[in-house]
Amino acid sequence: TQLLEQSPQFLSIQEGENLTVYCNSSSVFSSLQWYRQEPGEGPVLLVTVVTGGEVKKLKRLTFQFGDARKDSSLHITAAQPGDTGLYLCAVNRDDKIIFGKGTRLHILP
Amino acid sequence: EAQVTQNPRYLITVTGKKLTVTCSQNMNHEYMSWYRQDPGLGLRQIYYSMNVEVTDKGDVPEGYKVSRKEKRNFPLILESPSPNQTSLYFCASSWSGASYEQYFGPGTRLTVT
Repeated sequence: TQLLEQSPQFLSIQEGENLTVYCNSSSVFSSLQWYRQEPGEGPVLLVTVVTGGEVKKLKRLTFQFGDARKDSSLHITAAQPGDTGLYLCAVNRDDKIIFGKGTRLHILP
Repeated sequence: EAQVTQNPRYLITVTGKKLTVTCSQNMNHEYMSWYRQDPGLGLRQIYYSMNVEVTDKGDVPEGYKVSRKEKRNFPLILESPSPNQTSLYFCASSWSGASYEQYFGPGTRLTVT
């Protein structure tokens, strides 16, 4: 059983549409990170959420940490082709880093 | 420029021939780790190091060794590579521990025939 379940696995939408991707778990975490990975490169941190119910915004990206600190969502407003990539959530579990399998997002121009 | 470097970027080798992938960071980070990324399985941690001379197993350590003799370097050693170790490998570092931002290297694509 995966510690972190990300959904959907794949998402292909038109430029300008809105979308939400999810990272869910049955475990409670002290913090959760979102990374974006582009083809041929390593992941790059987008945000770290720490407090239950926390909402962080990064331009058109809105990140929310669930009240119970078991899940998180990433909402993109007016998606652009530059948002294309693999979105990964990650947590610290006893000094190990566990990643979800990711949501592969493709924005069509 | 703050960065994590890995070498080589691409490597094709044969079963059983020992190899080392180097990783170096210039940010004085304490925490370093190695990952492999495979289609359908995602990014999985192989080994991590909390500091010099302190290493520990991640989720998929079998067939790999690491060492941390200096703070900046964290090489990944495959003593006897097998085809199931064909993968994309990433090294990463962070200031102090797994909860901090991980800075990833550019990746090493390894093929074992």
